[in-house]
Amino acid sequence: DGGITQSPKYLFRKEGQNVTLSCEQNLNHDAMYWYRQDPGQGLRLIYYSQIVNDFQKGDIAEGYSVSREKKESFPLTVTSAQKNPTAFYLCASSVTGVGGYGYTFGSGTRLTVV
Amino acid sequence: GDSVTQMEGPVTLSEEAFLTINCTYTATGYPSLFWYVQYPGEGLQLLLKATKADDKGSNKGFEATYRKETTSFHLEKGSVQVSDSAVYFCASRDNYGQNFVFGPGTRLSVLP
Repeated sequence: DGGITQSPKYLFRKEGQNVTLSCEQNLNHDAMYWYRQDPGQGLRLIYYSQIVNDFQKGDIAEGYSVSREKKESFPLTVTSAQKNPTAFYLCASSVTGVGGYGYTFGSGTRLTVV
Repeated sequence: GDSVTQMEGPVTLSEEAFLTINCTYTATGYPSLFWYVQYPGEGLQLLLKATKADDKGSNKGFEATYRKETTSFHLEKGSVQVSDSAVYFCASRDNYGQNFVFGPGTRLSVLP
């Protein structure tokens, strides 16, 4: 079945470490997105990519980096510059250029600083 | 820019009660509208959608009608169950398939 897979489900980071969250989709979607969700809060857009080898900053890109070398993959790196990284991270993908299509979300990665 | 507003939660109901979660949008054109549901510890799942005025989306007993005149897309269910306890997000997307605009989410708790 087609879908979007995030790994790991839980991730622990020490102070000063960079960590990378994986997001893979086999839906043949052009666009992929990363969101951050804090407890009891809504979704905030970190980065998005509408085509391979191109990506754009969202509302809260500071302290994060991404790459889009393959259509299927959009990894997110949480760098040591992100001072408060503990959160739930959601990856999504979608068709672009045509209205009416929703986002497909992964099951999320919960990142905790220890 | 485009925006989506939802009623503030949390909403607490008894099992079999009627549910309404209000959602209004602002947009320059006529966007597609969506409701997503997030169960604890999980990602978001598409619940229903409507792509043009007067369309009704429905799924799992939930319904929402695209009302252009009131720029609304309220979510309703006639009889909620404990298993409906989740966070519900209203969202819009323009007809060019640009990025979604999400509402802040409404937490629903259904008590037995």
